[in-house]
Amino acid sequence: GQQVMQIPQYQHVQEGEDFTTYCNSSTTLSNIQWYKQRPGGHPVFLIQLVKSGEVKKQKRLTFQFGEAKKNSSLHITATQTTDVGTYFCAGAPSNQFYFGTGTSLTVIP
Amino acid sequence: NAGVTQTPKFQVLKTGQSMTLQCAQDMNHEYMSWYRQDPGMGLRLIHYSVGAGITDQGEVPNGYNVSRSTTEDFPLRLLSAAPSQTSVYFCASSYSIDSYEQYFGPGTRLTVT
Repeated sequence: GQQVMQIPQYQHVQEGEDFTTYCNSSTTLSNIQWYKQRPGGHPVFLIQLVKSGEVKKQKRLTFQFGEAKKNSSLHITATQTTDVGTYFCAGAPSNQFYFGTGTSLTVIP
Repeated sequence: NAGVTQTPKFQVLKTGQSMTLQCAQDMNHEYMSWYRQDPGMGLRLIHYSVGAGITDQGEVPNGYNVSRSTTEDFPLRLLSAAPSQTSVYFCASSYSIDSYEQYFGPGTRLTVT
């Protein structure tokens, strides 16, 4: 079954509001990756976190990896319409990548 | 570099028909994989390969076969299509399973009637 859960499934925000999606794994992960998929497109790699407690930033995006390496979050500050899409986390506890169910973000102008 | 290419982009099959989805990459990646994407289910791994001649099952392998005769190509075969296999299929590749980003192809939208 699904080993990586993600919440919320959907999020609607007004442009300029913040957005956060959370990812939880049932097993310890060696690393976690985040991907973005625009409507009608394919997943595109955003970032990878490897160390316990790691925090990385990409402009308005902040990524965190939990201390126990079982959870992660993606936070977007002051959303823009270009942030629209579905955000997926992906972990590889063994030889397989397990993707979260994704959070679909809608930004209302 | 073309990256990861997939053909066809769209396909309609009747129940019981077989077909092969093609995937190729020109980045000399060892790791290749096939996912299916269904609404609310995220991406689920069907089969993967860690190098030419080596394949293994993912989370949802039933009804699908793969082979990896070259580093570049990783075709996915549907043996006897069923309506439950209606989905969007993505092929992906990376240098290895260990800490490398995956590059995805544009996807194949398959409908089985």
